[in-house]
Amino acid sequence: NAGVMQNPRHLVRRRGQEARLRCSPMKGHSHVYWYRQLPEEGLKFMVYLQKENIIDESGMPKERFSAEFPKEGPSILRIQQVVRGDSAAYFCASSPYRGKDTEAFFGQGTRLTVV
Amino acid sequence: KNEVEQSPQNLTAQEGEFITINCSYSVGISALHWLQQHPGGGIVSLFMLSSGKKKHGRLIATINIQEKHSSLHITASHPRDSAVYICAPHKAQKLVFGQGTRLTINP
Repeated sequence: NAGVMQNPRHLVRRRGQEARLRCSPMKGHSHVYWYRQLPEEGLKFMVYLQKENIIDESGMPKERFSAEFPKEGPSILRIQQVVRGDSAAYFCASSPYRGKDTEAFFGQGTRLTVV
Repeated sequence: KNEVEQSPQNLTAQEGEFITINCSYSVGISALHWLQQHPGGGIVSLFMLSSGKKKHGRLIATINIQEKHSSLHITASHPRDSAVYICAPHKAQKLVFGQGTRLTINP
């Protein structure tokens, strides 16, 4: 049973380009969380998704960022027209069900560098 | 004021020492994670606990929900324990994170 898989591990984009980050949850998990870790800062919640639904996007920047978790395939975090300030590590976590005390399993992260 | 405060922020110790990392939080929660992150690496969940104490090998985590405080202890510390340790309470179905404690164990 593979863990949470994120790809790519490292992504370099020029300012203005689009970045697509993928997260495949653990087998049997239907809940996905995206977190961002800015350089020298702590982790921050971005968005919580269930298959085909956004449950909580209170941590997502209002513009340029979007997330989806389709019925088939991985969850995608999309950043349009990237800027230098988007450079960060983006982590995905998955859990098997919705609840207050569910175990969360993290991926290795995608390190985005905007040049 | 941050919702989650960890102390110390940085800790350097000699191999074999007993390590304690503290976490205080102001949010109402029902459970809390302790996470480990190696430099440039992914995040590993060490514990999820909602009361009392859990032990896994040389690691022990305790939580006092009434006091809103949790501790992570490492016995017989080893250089491979060097990492950032992050306290993450569950709040409204998502995690809130402390700033992390950077632990360095010297041989």
